[in-house]
Amino acid sequence: GAVVSQHPSRVICKSGTSVKIECRSLDFQATTMFWYRQFPKQSLMLMATSNEGSKATYEQGVEKDKFLINHASLTLSTLTVTSAHPEDSSFYICSARDPLLGYTEAFFGQGTRLTVV
Amino acid sequence: AQSVTQPDIHITVSEGASLELRCNYSYGATPYLFWYVQSPGQGLQLLLKYFSGDTLVQGIKGFEAEFKRSQSSFNLRKPSVHWSDAAEYFCAVGALDNTDKLIFGTGTRLQVFP
Repeated sequence: GAVVSQHPSRVICKSGTSVKIECRSLDFQATTMFWYRQFPKQSLMLMATSNEGSKATYEQGVEKDKFLINHASLTLSTLTVTSAHPEDSSFYICSARDPLLGYTEAFFGQGTRLTVV
Repeated sequence: AQSVTQPDIHITVSEGASLELRCNYSYGATPYLFWYVQSPGQGLQLLLKYFSGDTLVQGIKGFEAEFKRSQSSFNLRKPSVHWSDAAEYFCAVGALDNTDKLIFGTGTRLQVFP
């Protein structure tokens, strides 16, 4: 299956700083990627849909200015958590589909554990 | 609006016992349905999926699921559980609006005792 790589797997940052998380499709081109947030022992909540070459589409309640998404190429989407606060601590997961495979499955990255201290 | 319900938050079984994880969905048409598994601190791995055709779907690791339209269910089953199956299991449905979004259930945590 297709591979999605997410980096870093873990990051600890100070409150007020910004953190960038990368999501790469390694062996396919992804015009669309998705960013999810997962709180401990809870389900995945979709934050935004990242579209290559255009603005991301955010879900209701997600702050666009806080969670900046850039999808500059067909293999890379980035999520930047700006001015991070402890309540932003969470597990962030990206996913992507291979358009050549049609509507089959979403391939997930391994996730990023963000801890804001 | 579409939704997915996993009624069981936590299930404990003995190794070798059979397993059934429940999933109910709310959807206006024929759904795209998925089961994913997540190990602690990891991303999600697809176990199986249903788009159309045979309502009994075979997946990886010996899992299967049956789509029952009359019950709006897509329950996951395994005849004999292994200790390595201990993980979090998520049922998901594809979004109606053709955006390829997935809507996830709340998950079921599976514990396996030796």
